[in-house]
Amino acid sequence: NAGVTQTPKFQVLKTGQSMTLQCAQDMNHEYMSWYRQDPGMGLRLIHYSVGAGITDQGEVPNGYNVSRSTTEDFPLRLLSAAPSQTSVYFCASRRRGVAAHEQYFGPGTRLTVT
Amino acid sequence: QQQVKQSPQSLIVQKGGISIINCAYENTAFDYFPWYQQFPGKGPALLIAIRPDVSEKKEGRFTISFNKSAKQFSLHIMDSQPGDSATYFCAATGAGSYQLTFGKGTKLSVIP
Repeated sequence: NAGVTQTPKFQVLKTGQSMTLQCAQDMNHEYMSWYRQDPGMGLRLIHYSVGAGITDQGEVPNGYNVSRSTTEDFPLRLLSAAPSQTSVYFCASRRRGVAAHEQYFGPGTRLTVT
Repeated sequence: QQQVKQSPQSLIVQKGGISIINCAYENTAFDYFPWYQQFPGKGPALLIAIRPDVSEKKEGRFTISFNKSAKQFSLHIMDSQPGDSATYFCAATGAGSYQLTFGKGTKLSVIP
């Protein structure tokens, strides 16, 4: 099992550009989430999904879009990148029925917006 | 409003010593209190978790102590090793919740 994979590992964008951060898991987990990690801020939830076709907002959803067409994939879209979105982004997954803390995190995508 | 406060921000411990990281929470609806370990360039990994109906949980060299009345919990790393050098996050979540509330993290350095 590869677990949770994320691509790309690094990305530099100019202000106003759009891009999609990819996340995939091969554990057949129903729940998937996106977090951002900023220095000295811990991790904050952006969006989450409880299954294919179902998504919802987390703590900091503005400027991000998600969709979930399959169980395996949960891409995060930045529609018009801003310097405030410079961060490290983590995708996580867990199976239905376990507590929220029992989730597996991917290796992260480091995004810089200039 | 930060709901989980973590201290210290950074910690330097000699090899073989005890590392102690503290967290305090405000929301009494929280039902699980996990700790995560994160190495540079990696995602966080669940280390150990506790529920409020127990005061202590031990897994190997890692122990969570929980004080429900004070709304505080702490991670103790016994016999700290250089390989324990990482950033540690406490977190909290409620039963049935989708969201984890994280502390700001503690960077632990264990020096030989």
